[in-house]
Amino acid sequence: GQQLNQSPQSMFIQEGEDVSMNCTSSSIFNTWLWYKQDPGEGPVLLIALYKAGELTSNGRLTAQFGITRKDSFLNISASIPSDVGIYFCAGSGLIQGAQKLVFGQGTRLTINP
Amino acid sequence: NAGVMQNPRHLVRRRGQEARLRCSPMKGHSHVYWYRQLPEEGLKFMVYLQKENIIDESGMPKERFSAEFPKEGPSILRIQQVVRGDSAAYFCASSPVQVLNEKLFFGSGTQLSVL
Repeated sequence: GQQLNQSPQSMFIQEGEDVSMNCTSSSIFNTWLWYKQDPGEGPVLLIALYKAGELTSNGRLTAQFGITRKDSFLNISASIPSDVGIYFCAGSGLIQGAQKLVFGQGTRLTINP
Repeated sequence: NAGVMQNPRHLVRRRGQEARLRCSPMKGHSHVYWYRQLPEEGLKFMVYLQKENIIDESGMPKERFSAEFPKEGPSILRIQQVVRGDSAAYFCASSPVQVLNEKLFFGSGTQLSVL
């Protein structure tokens, strides 16, 4: 099935450090979304990207839609304890004739105070 | 404005029993999606429904799983004769239109545990 490769799988950082994670796909997507999931909760949307090359910020978060439309990255600057969680990329596009949202495997972020 | 409501939050079933998971979409949303999440994995699409119609069930196992979204009431994901491998978190998402973008909102999920 359709897959997104998200890396790294996990990150252990110190509070205040910057974080970078990315997603790649063999297929083209027309929308990239980045979500955060806290334990026992559903994913919450952080950033949505719609155009190749688009760079969008949301507070300390910055995400880019790759030029090839097959990749995206998310950066978090000056991490704080509440940034802990699992971050998922998701690509939205026409797959086998139907509009679908495909998720990456997630990046688990742990922050040492 | 209530968000997407799923219940129960936790469901424990013995092998062979039936599991019914409910999802009430956000007010004004007529499109519902169900996803399954296994531990340490991302969300996998199962089924997409509009009121009284199954639009895309390509991610749903052919046997034991069914979904509905009646004209009145919540969407139901039904798993018959559950097995241990069905243990997972099941998430419902809703949107007002047939697009998958920032208008898609997720519920808090139902954690199904099969003993």
